[in-house]
Amino acid sequence: AQSVSQHNHHVILSEAASLELGCNYSYGGTVNLFWYVQYPGQHLQLLLKYFSGDPLVKGIKGFEAEFIKSKFSFNLRKPSVQWSDTAEYFCAVNSGAGGYNKLIFGAGTRLAVHP
Amino acid sequence: KAGVTQTPRYLIKTRGQQVTLSCSPISGHRSVSWYQQTPGQGLQFLFEYFSETQRNKGNFPGRFSGRQFSNSRSEMNVSTLELGDSALYLCASSLDSVPGNTIYFGEGSWLTVV
Repeated sequence: AQSVSQHNHHVILSEAASLELGCNYSYGGTVNLFWYVQYPGQHLQLLLKYFSGDPLVKGIKGFEAEFIKSKFSFNLRKPSVQWSDTAEYFCAVNSGAGGYNKLIFGAGTRLAVHP
Repeated sequence: KAGVTQTPRYLIKTRGQQVTLSCSPISGHRSVSWYQQTPGQGLQFLFEYFSETQRNKGNFPGRFSGRQFSNSRSEMNVSTLELGDSALYLCASSLDSVPGNTIYFGEGSWLTVV
């Protein structure tokens, strides 16, 4: 069965610090990978996704993620965080075997950015 | 265009009762999925409907059911509510089921079971 592991449950950063959130998945076949963000009181929003092509994916709000197939990883990065990036971040995976609309989510990482 | 709309946003039910939650997908989207979000279990897939047929199902008891109408609107029902069913129930919609398709989420329905 597919599973997703997010290494950090809570991350605290100061503004302008760099961010890297880890995500590993377990599935041997072809996967599609996603990062979603949930701002306080808001719905889940897609930050970026990977399903083929360039393994370095750029998303909204300056976020990017790199798919490393050999490491089963899809880490999220941002060179300089802002207070407004305070939110919960979820890594997710799906595949043709499980259904392309069935997302398996990681436990999430709560990011707090201090001014 | 309008996003995924869920109603009601908040509700309180008593153990043993049943509840029906409603979801209107983005216009033109044919797939609707439901997820349960709790602090302990995180985000878990419940089921997916496409063209009025359940296409995929998660690992939840039979008390959790759903359906989809011809206009793609969907409802999910939970019968014989338990305290552990207290959660945020999220509806998601997408155009179809192809690699890399974007799945859009609604704001959710907060269910509290007392």
